[in-house]
Amino acid sequence: DVKVTQSSRYLVKRTGEKVFLECVQDMDHENMFWYRQDPGLGLRLIYFSYDVKMKEKGDIPEGYSVSREKKERFSLILESASTNQTSMYLCASSRGQGRNEQFFGPGTRLTVL
Amino acid sequence: QKEVEQDPGPLSVPEGAIVSLNCTYSNSAFQYFMWYRQYSRKGPELLMYTYSSGNKEDGRFTAQVDKSSKYISLFIRDSQPSDSATYLCAMSAMDAGGTSYGKLTFGQGTILTVHP
Repeated sequence: DVKVTQSSRYLVKRTGEKVFLECVQDMDHENMFWYRQDPGLGLRLIYFSYDVKMKEKGDIPEGYSVSREKKERFSLILESASTNQTSMYLCASSRGQGRNEQFFGPGTRLTVL
Repeated sequence: QKEVEQDPGPLSVPEGAIVSLNCTYSNSAFQYFMWYRQYSRKGPELLMYTYSSGNKEDGRFTAQVDKSSKYISLFIRDSQPSDSATYLCAMSAMDAGGTSYGKLTFGQGTILTVHP
């Protein structure tokens, strides 16, 4: 079974803090994705990566950055957390090469005070 | 207009009912279609994956794709209280030289409650 893990289930941070969300997948997948999910807005793509050290902006990249130094790990960074970044953050991976189904981690519920 | 439209519900049915969940889409390039189930405060879980038009069955779940109408459905037979969750449809276009990178377009999700 594909396993995608995220470093924290719940996180509380203060405005202005730098926040790191970590995601690890164990199936040698090419593609990795970061989403946020908010009531009424659905899943929104923040950033994705199709290879090590490669990244592409999604639909809402402002206020976020990412890092993919190793194939299995994809990090989301909030440089200076703000209250409007309070959300559920979901990481996903997919094999690529024509197989587009994504496998999600359990999510991180981030609250910024 | 959104590329993928999904009725958010909520949908409430009695145990044992047949449930029909639907999505419409506007992008004729979509070739891959998925259904995810998401329990409260958890990540989405892949339920069904289909390519192009046709039906696919897995236990109590059947996925249908009608590309001519740009319409996909998920049917749940003999629904159970444990099926209570949010159901998300998702779809993607065929990779063209790898440029899509497997990006998915999601519906808003339908909240389903199956009551005993």
